[in-house]
Amino acid sequence: GENVEQHPSTLSVQEGDSAVIKCTYSDSASNYFPWYKQELGKRPQLIIDIRSNVGEKKDQRIAVTLNKTAKHFSLHITETQPEDSAVYFCAGGGSTLGRLYFGRGTQLTVWP
Amino acid sequence: DTGVSQNPRHKITKRGQNVTFRCDPISEHNRLYWYRQTLGQGPEFLTYFQNEAQLEKSRLLSDRFSAERPKGSFSTLEIQRTEQGDSAMYLCASSLGQGEDTQYFGPGTRLTVL
Repeated sequence: GENVEQHPSTLSVQEGDSAVIKCTYSDSASNYFPWYKQELGKRPQLIIDIRSNVGEKKDQRIAVTLNKTAKHFSLHITETQPEDSAVYFCAGGGSTLGRLYFGRGTQLTVWP
Repeated sequence: DTGVSQNPRHKITKRGQNVTFRCDPISEHNRLYWYRQTLGQGPEFLTYFQNEAQLEKSRLLSDRFSAERPKGSFSTLEIQRTEQGDSAMYLCASSLGQGEDTQYFGPGTRLTVL
């Protein structure tokens, strides 16, 4: 089955700096890669996603890149703000797989 | 609220008791998923439905766990003879299906087994 690995497990940055979280996956059948943000005690919220036919996608301060050959994808957050502090999860999957396979999460802390 | 809803939000039970959780997906979403999340971990897949058909079950899902989606709308997850190791957040998600993969999560049911 699919195996999604995520690094780092914790990340601390100063407000205004950039944050990068990286994930790798193992199953070539995966073609859909979402990123979720989860605040303490709340549900995972989708923040951005990318499909395997696209190399990069951007939404304001958030961008995701995908390298299909190397089987890795990354989340980039620019101009970080304290409200970006949360746990971020990457996942891999797609229609043929049905389920999503999640990474173990990255605790991002943005210091004012 | 037109999002995914789950009930109850919290459940405390004694070891050996049975519990049942309910999930109401977003209207017209064909796919419904159950995940389990423990502290410091990402959601772990349990099972999913396409309409009323249960298409896949994780090997994590022991015989004590059963899920149904009888009319292709809401779903229930039952755990029989609960064990302390079943304590976790049980998350439900739904997606439109038909090639649209985005999964939207409910608020979860937090189960504590004493």
